[in-house]
Amino acid sequence: QMQLVESGGGVVQPGRSLRLSCAASGFSFSQNGMHWVRQAPGKGLEWVAVIYNDGITKYYADSVRGRFTISRDNSKNTLYLQMNSLTAEDTAVYFCARNPSRVDIAATDYRGQGTLVTVSS
Amino acid sequence: QSVLTQPPSVSAAPGQKVTISCSGSSSNIGNNYVSWYQQLPGTAPKLLIYDNDVRPSGIPDRFSGSKSGTSATLAITGLQTGDEADYYCGTWETSLSAGVFGTGTKVTVL
Repeated sequence: QMQLVESGGGVVQPGRSLRLSCAASGFSFSQNGMHWVRQAPGKGLEWVAVIYNDGITKYYADSVRGRFTISRDNSKNTLYLQMNSLTAEDTAVYFCARNPSRVDIAATDYRGQGTLVTVSS
Repeated sequence: QSVLTQPPSVSAAPGQKVTISCSGSSSNIGNNYVSWYQQLPGTAPKLLIYDNDVRPSGIPDRFSGSKSGTSATLAITGLQTGDEADYYCGTWETSLSAGVFGTGTKVTVL
C-alpha cells in the first residue's frame, strides 16, 4: 500500500525558514519523480516543485524559485522541501506526491494528508 | 492566475452525466499529457486520470478522460452523491518548465 506522510509544518514568522519532509513507503521511491503541491486556504491547487528520480533534475514554480529547494534521499525514501524567506503568501497545506507516469512528469498521485504551513508574525 | 481554464461549476441529477472542460494552449495541453484530480472537502486530492485517459487502479470506469487539441475533458457518468467535490485538471507548461493546474470545477449533484 503506497503511503506518503508529510511532516514539518507549523507556524513560522515571515522571513524565517522551514523544512518539510515526506516519508514514502509501499513503492520504489528511487524510481519515481516526486512533487510538492500546495493549497492556500480556500484556494485551488498550486504546483510548487518536482525532482526527478535521479535527484539532479529539478523544476520550480516562479513563485518559489530561489527561495525553496526540493531534494530527496533515496536511501531514506524521503522527500524534502527547504523553504526560506517565507511570506504570508506561502501559507498553505503542502502535499507531496508521486509521479506515476512514464511519459508525463506532471502527473501527481497523492497518498498523504498534507502538512499545514502558516506564515504569520 | 492559472493558464488552464475550467468552468467554475457543473451540476446534474444522480445517475446523469457531467463533463468538465479544461482549456489551455499549445504550450501546455496542446503538446503535453493531461491528468485529472478529485478533491473532496477537507481531504487531499485524488488522482482520477493520467496520461490523458488512463485510470489508476481502483478508479471506477464511470470516470473517463479525453484530449483534443488544446483542450481536455473529464466525463463522469452515473453521477453519485459521493461525486460532489472539486475537480482539477493538470499538465506541464513547456514555456515555464513547470506543472500547472486548472482553476477547478465544483460538481454538484442535484
